[in-house]
Amino acid sequence: EIVMTQSPAILSVSPGERATLSCRASQSVSSNLAWYHQEPGQAPRLLIYGASTRATGISARFSGSGYGTEFTLTISSLQSEDFAVYYCQQYDDWPYSFGQGTKLEI
Amino acid sequence: QVQLQESGPGLVKPSDTLSLTCDVSGYSISSSHWWGWIRQPPGKGLEWIGYIYYTGSIYYNPSLKSRVTMSVDTSKNQISLKLTSVTAVDTAVYYCTRIHNSGGYPDYWGQGTLVTVSS
Repeated sequence: EIVMTQSPAILSVSPGERATLSCRASQSVSSNLAWYHQEPGQAPRLLIYGASTRATGISARFSGSGYGTEFTLTISSLQSEDFAVYYCQQYDDWPYSFGQGTKLEI
Repeated sequence: QVQLQESGPGLVKPSDTLSLTCDVSGYSISSSHWWGWIRQPPGKGLEWIGYIYYTGSIYYNPSLKSRVTMSVDTSKNQISLKLTSVTAVDTAVYYCTRIHNSGGYPDYWGQGTLVTVSS
């Protein structure tokens, strides 16, 4: 199974600033990487797929990059609703797997 | 608008079988999408359980394969999950999802249902 490792575990950023979240795969997943955002008590919401393609309705403040084993999610000009937990997920090889999450806090 | 709604017992005894259903509305499960189950223990991360196509093709997570059964009922537009011989480690929020056509990532999620395994 491919192990996904996210860093940092907790990221403290002020509103209006930029946040950069990292995700590393234990082996290459090509560009088969998705990012999700999860608020407390809610289901995850798809943000990015194909490592860099924004899902329908997702703000341009969210951007993804990377290929192979190293990936980044960048959120510019943080807003209050952005403070939540972010997960990456590889879908290159079954069983698909998630990272352990990065909590973005104010 | 695609909507998914999980339902089932919120409390299951150890060694019993966990059974959940997912009602899908706004989209036919017989259309060209796979449907998946993902779970999340309280305060922890996400784990794939498996995913299924309406024809019956299935992928199960090897870590759960011996205990999991997924099925579809196209007449009810519903998918189901059964997990046998449950223990406390199976306590989690269980999510029903629709898998995007271009890859193995969910684009729609149910609200999730918490299942607690306890005597």
